[in-house]
Amino acid sequence: EAGVAQSPRYKIIEKRQSVAFWCNPISGHATLYWYQQILGQGPKLLIQFQNNGVVDDSQLPKDRFSAERLKGVDSTLKIQPAKLEDSAVYLCASSADRANEKLFFGSGTQLSVL
Amino acid sequence: QKEVEQNSGPLSVPEGAIASLNCTYSDRGSQSFFWYRQYSGKSPELIMFIYSNGDKEDGRFTAQLNKASQYVSLLIRDSQPSDSATYLCAVRYNTDKLIFGTGTRLQVFP
Repeated sequence: EAGVAQSPRYKIIEKRQSVAFWCNPISGHATLYWYQQILGQGPKLLIQFQNNGVVDDSQLPKDRFSAERLKGVDSTLKIQPAKLEDSAVYLCASSADRANEKLFFGSGTQLSVL
Repeated sequence: QKEVEQNSGPLSVPEGAIASLNCTYSDRGSQSFFWYRQYSGKSPELIMFIYSNGDKEDGRFTAQLNKASQYVSLLIRDSQPSDSATYLCAVRYNTDKLIFGTGTRLQVFP
């Protein structure tokens, strides 16, 4: 069974530039999550999708971050414009459904904002 | 603000010893509790989950939950150097949101 795919693996940009991350969840998984993990901290939920609808985006900085999950499969997370404090690993995870407790994480995208 | 708190460590234990990792949470409405292991530079992976008060054992791992004290712990018996990693406690609330603690770094030395 293929895991959660994310790209790119690394990204270096300058502040005020824009960046996009892509995630392909495990086939058939209805729930998709984007987490931000700053070095030395635990993952922080940015947004949770159920199929192509948003379940929770209360911690997403909506003035600069946006996310979509078209057709309930792949998802993209965008930052525009980036700030220095956005430097982090962006983790995508999926689960079979909201009631399924096991989250499968992708390998993450490490973002450095200079 | 719902919180999950862990001691960041590092917790250093000799090989073969029992490692005890602790976590407290702020909301009594919490329903399910998880321990994830994260190796340096890797993504978290689920190792245990527990819903009810008491102990749950899986191989060398035991999760313990005390809802009255809002406390969950993970015991690792016969610790191995390969267990060296950061252990993340996560708590799921009624809203389905899974909130992670900052993690405890465990070092097992030979």
